[in-house]
Amino acid sequence: GESVGLHLPTLSVQEGDNSIINCAYSNSASDYFIWYKQESGKGPQFIIDIRSNMDKRQGQRVTVLLNKTVKHLSLQIAATQPGDSAVYFCAENVNNFNKFYFGSGTKLNVKP
Amino acid sequence: DTAVSQTPKYLVTQMGNDKSIKCEQNLGHDTMYWYKQDSKKFLKIMFSYNNKELIINETVPNRFSPKSPDKAHLNLHINSLELGDSAVYFCASSQGQGDGNTIYFGEGSWLTVV
Repeated sequence: GESVGLHLPTLSVQEGDNSIINCAYSNSASDYFIWYKQESGKGPQFIIDIRSNMDKRQGQRVTVLLNKTVKHLSLQIAATQPGDSAVYFCAENVNNFNKFYFGSGTKLNVKP
Repeated sequence: DTAVSQTPKYLVTQMGNDKSIKCEQNLGHDTMYWYKQDSKKFLKIMFSYNNKELIINETVPNRFSPKSPDKAHLNLHINSLELGDSAVYFCASSQGQGDGNTIYFGEGSWLTVV
């Protein structure tokens, strides 16, 4: 399943499928990006980050892709599990300060 | 052990009241933050402190006054609460400033102004 970020805030996928969550960022000067996961009633948790000198970074079951040309970031989750159900945020950082700007988030629902 | 802890978790109060939310981190981090999350889940930074010094103030009304007695604590005091202040407030911390410094969030404080 795939979301279109701000225009489709909820993504529903079947357990075991791959998920793709998209994020469009606004500032071409942004040079560092983080994906966060926020479960219901909890604070955001770091998932994976990427610097602007990279196009792709892989973690455990997650991959972040960065396309600076179109200012687009995506989070791919392999073999989505019920525990992946949460709201996912991308955050961008500009000029090496800790002033992160968060996107509006995409809610991921994983159906058993 | 909770890395970033904030109290209270839930707070319901009347308009015009003054309230405080406390935050403590046991990670030994130098930088602490307050973020506000509205009903649409939009997260926005309010303040950032580094070693007790204010480094970011994102045009927050002066009814909001952060206080950092030491680098492990960053409290948020809100005067004359308004309905629009209802939100979830997240405290966070990071080792330092700049990229590569992961921000660790607390569990949030749910503020409802009636």
